Amino acid sequence: AQTVTQSQPEMSVQEAETVTLSCTYDTSESDYYLFWYKQPPSRQMILVIRQEAYKQQNATENRFSVNFQKAAKSFSLKISDSQLGDAAMYFCAYRAQQGAQKLVFGQGTRLTINP
Amino acid sequence: DGGITQSPKYLFRKEGQNVTLSCEQNLNHDAMYWYRQDPGQGLRLIYYSQIVNDFQKGDIAEGYSVSREKKESFPLTVTSAQKNPTAFYLCASKYRREAFFGQGTRLTVV
Repeated sequence: AQTVTQSQPEMSVQEAETVTLSCTYDTSESDYYLFWYKQPPSRQMILVIRQEAYKQQNATENRFSVNFQKAAKSFSLKISDSQLGDAAMYFCAYRAQQGAQKLVFGQGTRLTINP
Repeated sequence: DGGITQSPKYLFRKEGQNVTLSCEQNLNHDAMYWYRQDPGQGLRLIYYSQIVNDFQKGDIAEGYSVSREKKESFPLTVTSAQKNPTAFYLCASKYRREAFFGQGTRLTVV
């Protein structure tokens, strides 16, 4: 079974600084997707960024970028120029490309932004 | 506007009672999912459905039941057999690569 592990329950960063959230996963599949979701206090799940496993290039969305290391099964999220609105729970998630395609989530990292 | 609607936002239930959480989507998505979220934990899959009239158990299906009679609707029933039902419940639907989430239902057993 696929598993996703986030080893940092909490992280904090100064406003305007850069922070990196870690995620590792375990799978025997070769084709899959990886995601980072943001859950603010409203509890609405918001997709931050997506990475296809077959792509070597790391995904980037404005201030958010990932470091995808397929061999190491590592998928970290870097937030540059942190803003107060970035404060939230961040979840790493995995989904196989074939089969049931259910999302498997990590335990989450609570990110605090210090003004 | 298109989206996923969960209702109610807050739900209170007495011990021993069944309760049904609603999830409706107008996105024309085939796949729908129910997740449970406990404090400080990630989302755990309860049930999922990839097509009308078909659904499968997820990782924590015990004490829950679902139906998928219409493409737009995927209600979740929390039965009295669920030992610890107090949690936040999220419904999602999927189209191609992306999943879309509802705003959730907070269920409290009193």
